[in-house]
Amino acid sequence: GQNIDQPTEMTATEGAIVQINCTYQTSGFNGLFWYQQHAGEAPTFLSYNVLDGLEEKGRFSSFLSRSKGYSYLLLKELQMKDSASYLCAVKGPNYGQNFVFGPGTRLSVLP
Amino acid sequence: GAGVSQSPSNKVTEKGKDVELRCDPISGHTALYWYRQSLGQGLEFLIYFQGNSAPDKSGLPSDRFSAERTGGSVSTLTIQRTQQEDSAVYLCASSLSSLHEQFFGPGTRLTVL
Repeated sequence: GQNIDQPTEMTATEGAIVQINCTYQTSGFNGLFWYQQHAGEAPTFLSYNVLDGLEEKGRFSSFLSRSKGYSYLLLKELQMKDSASYLCAVKGPNYGQNFVFGPGTRLSVLP
Repeated sequence: GAGVSQSPSNKVTEKGKDVELRCDPISGHTALYWYRQSLGQGLEFLIYFQGNSAPDKSGLPSDRFSAERTGGSVSTLTIQRTQQEDSAVYLCASSLSSLHEQFFGPGTRLTVL
C-alpha cells in the first residue's frame, strides 16, 4: 500500500516563496504528481517527477528524492490567486488504486 | 469542448433512491478514474478503467456502488439506495494512460437528504 503525508495548512505573504512538503511510503514507485485545487473546483495538474532532482516550470518547481520518499513543491513570487489546496499524488507499480492522493495542503496567501 | 465533462453538476436526492452520475472523458484517453471528495477532505479513489481491461474496483466503499464504461468512452457511476454519508463531490478524471497526468472534470455534487 501507499501512505502520503502533507502539512494540513500553510500561510505565506504575497511576493514571498513557500515550500510545500510531501513524504510518502510506497511498495513501488512510478512517479509523483502535484495538483492545484481551488475551492469548489476540480484539481488541475502542476508537475510530474519520476527521477530525482528539480523540475522547474515558471514560478513553480517540484523536487523529488526517491531514496528519502520526499518531494516538495516550491512556489515563488506568490500571488493571491495561488491560495488553493495543493495535492501530492504518488503512482505505484500497478494501475488503479496505486495512484494515491495525499490529503492536500491548504495554502493561504495574505497581502 | 476538449475537456472532461460530467453531469449533472448538482444532484439532490432522498435517502434510499438510486442515482446515476455520468462522465465523458477526453477523446483518446484510455484511462478513466472516479474519485469522491468530501468537504475539506482529500480525494478518495473509487474505481479505475484502462482500455478493455477489467476495471479496478478496489476503492468502491460498498456493493451499493457500481460503475461501467461503455465502448471505452463514457462512464456511469451508479449508487443504489443512497445514504446520507454518500453526500460528496464525485470527480471523474481521464488520462492517456495510467502513467500520464489526469485531467479532471468539474465534478458532480451529490446531496442525500
